[in-house]
Amino acid sequence: DVKVTQSSRYLVKRTGEKVFLECVQDMDHENMFWYRQDPGLGLRLIYFSYDVKMKEKGDIPEGYSVSREKKERFSLILESASTNQTSMYLCASSFITASGSTTDTQYFGPGTRLTVL
Amino acid sequence: QKEVEQDPGPLSVPEGAIVSLNCTYSNSAFQYFMWYRQYSRKGPELLMYTYSSGNKEDGRFTAQVDKSSKYISLFIRDSQPSDSATYLCAMRRTGTASKLTFGTGTRLQVTL
Repeated sequence: DVKVTQSSRYLVKRTGEKVFLECVQDMDHENMFWYRQDPGLGLRLIYFSYDVKMKEKGDIPEGYSVSREKKERFSLILESASTNQTSMYLCASSFITASGSTTDTQYFGPGTRLTVL
Repeated sequence: QKEVEQDPGPLSVPEGAIVSLNCTYSNSAFQYFMWYRQYSRKGPELLMYTYSSGNKEDGRFTAQVDKSSKYISLFIRDSQPSDSATYLCAMRRTGTASKLTFGTGTRLQVTL
């Protein structure tokens, strides 16, 4: 069974704090993703990574950075948290097939509900 | 205008009803279509996957894609309380590996 775990279910931070959200997957997947989920806006891609130390911006990267030093771990960093970053953050992973195709099945973690006061 | 539109609901139906969930999209380049199901306080999980136009059936679930109308549907037959969840459509263009565009999700409640 694929397991994607996120470091916290709930997190409360103050404006201006540096925030780290951690995600770990145990299935040796190449691709990892960070999304935020907001009512009325759905899931929006912040960043994704297709390999260690590789990253690409998603649709809403402003105010965020990421780090992938090991294949199983993908971190989302809020350099200076702001109230408009209050949201549910979801991490996901997917794998590349033997033929080199990326699968569309993404395996999600349970999410971290971040509140910035 | 959003690339993918989905009625947020909530949609409340009695147990045993047939449920129809829908998404419309504006980008004709989308070729791969998915439905994810998200239970409360959990992450989404893939439910159905279709490529291009046509139907796909899996048990009580049928996914339908009409590319000419830019419209996709998920039908649930004999709905059960355990189907109560948020259903998100997702789609992808060819050549944009991994980059899915999600709908906002429809919340479904199946009542006894």
